Amino acid sequence: QQQVKQSPQSLIVQKGGISIINCAYENTAFDYFPWYQQFPGKGPALLIAIRPDVSEKKEGRFTISFNKSAKQFSLHIMDSQPGDSATYFCAASGGSNYKLTFGKGTLLTVNP
Amino acid sequence: NAGVMQNPRHLVRRRGQEARLRCSPMKGHSHVYWYRQLPEEGLKFMVYLQKENIIDESGMPKERFSAEFPKEGPSILRIQQVVRGDSAAYFCASVVDRGTDTQYFGPGTRLTVL
Repeated sequence: QQQVKQSPQSLIVQKGGISIINCAYENTAFDYFPWYQQFPGKGPALLIAIRPDVSEKKEGRFTISFNKSAKQFSLHIMDSQPGDSATYFCAASGGSNYKLTFGKGTLLTVNP
Repeated sequence: NAGVMQNPRHLVRRRGQEARLRCSPMKGHSHVYWYRQLPEEGLKFMVYLQKENIIDESGMPKERFSAEFPKEGPSILRIQQVVRGDSAAYFCASVVDRGTDTQYFGPGTRLTVL
């Protein structure tokens, strides 16, 4: 059972454009929603995270939008750059153990 | 300030051999998680440990897999009698304490079973 569904599977954006990646979750016990960025051959690196008490969080060019009633959250990358080309994973956790449930990832390619 | 360290970075084993993967958490962190990433897949939780204690092993296969985090030294993920389906990238992540949500990931160990 896939508890976090991520789309699209891959995304191609022109430099300067906006990249949007969407995730939906099923488990209402989730209360922490991070996004990770992973480059080939590297481990995931935390990009930005949100809790359900806010609907939006912005850090630089990266914004998370969160819709608790729809059980959806999304990552927006403004002014996308070729260096942003990577795989992005959404994740969710809840409960005392905070183990992360990941989406399947989105391969983002930003063309120069 | 060293991050999470994992070794080896690449490991090749023949079917039936044992694989030992090591994870040293960030300084001051006392809890580690292990995740497995199959090709074209997201990471899947395996086990959550604190020093000398397994907190949650609900993601561990029932056979051949074990994990430990001794009082001294790195956390070890051990896979006995490896099969081709064990080929994957194995990541550990550390947190400063239980109840902390931010997990810091290591670079991973890429296991190839021939």
